[in-house]
Amino acid sequence: GAGVSQSPSNKVTEKGKDVELRCDPISGHTALYWYRQSLGQGLEFLIYFQGNSAPDKSGLPSDRFSAERTGGSVSTLTIQRTQQEDSAVYLCASSSSPSPYNEQFFGPGTRLTVL
Amino acid sequence: AQSVTQLGSHVSVSEGALVLLRCNYSSSVPPYLFWYVQYPNQGLQLLLKYTSAATLVKGINGFEAEFKKSETSFHLTKPSAHMSDAAEYFCAVSGEGGSYIPTFGRGTSLIVHP
Repeated sequence: GAGVSQSPSNKVTEKGKDVELRCDPISGHTALYWYRQSLGQGLEFLIYFQGNSAPDKSGLPSDRFSAERTGGSVSTLTIQRTQQEDSAVYLCASSSSPSPYNEQFFGPGTRLTVL
Repeated sequence: AQSVTQLGSHVSVSEGALVLLRCNYSSSVPPYLFWYVQYPNQGLQLLLKYTSAATLVKGINGFEAEFKKSETSFHLTKPSAHMSDAAEYFCAVSGEGGSYIPTFGRGTSLIVHP
């Protein structure tokens, strides 16, 4: 079946512009995660959605970052007034249910470059 | 807070040699532990996971890992490296505080020489 998809695969933008990154999780997966991957820094947790519950936003680095998940499926990560330090690969993952032992299924990521 | 340390940002082996990637964790509760692999320009995919059953866990592509509570370790091994194993490997821990959010290590890049 279809895996997690993300779009665009690459995004180049100018400093100060807003960007939107999209994630389509696996159908039926209730948990959705966003991570940021910078060179040599591993995966940095950004935000977690579970069903209709309030999202866990504890990883968002600043108020320029926001995310929503519509209808319990597609999610959009928005970065306003982008800065050069926002350049990274943004990964989305989903899992079948909220459990600490469930596998996460990752998308291929969106590579964001801020000039 | 739970944490993961992966010793060595890069590990280089010859084709056919033993692969050993190190992972040490910190957790105040019995942990759930994972190894993920990331090939170039792809997302992460699960290699194997430990969920308190057998301490020796076998995964895909001939990899295995052993949970050692006394050493707080979950090292990843493969008896014989193949060129196709060249990738980034991430160890992750979850479970502390009932959290569903895993903590990932910084990753180890495996380089395989012919």
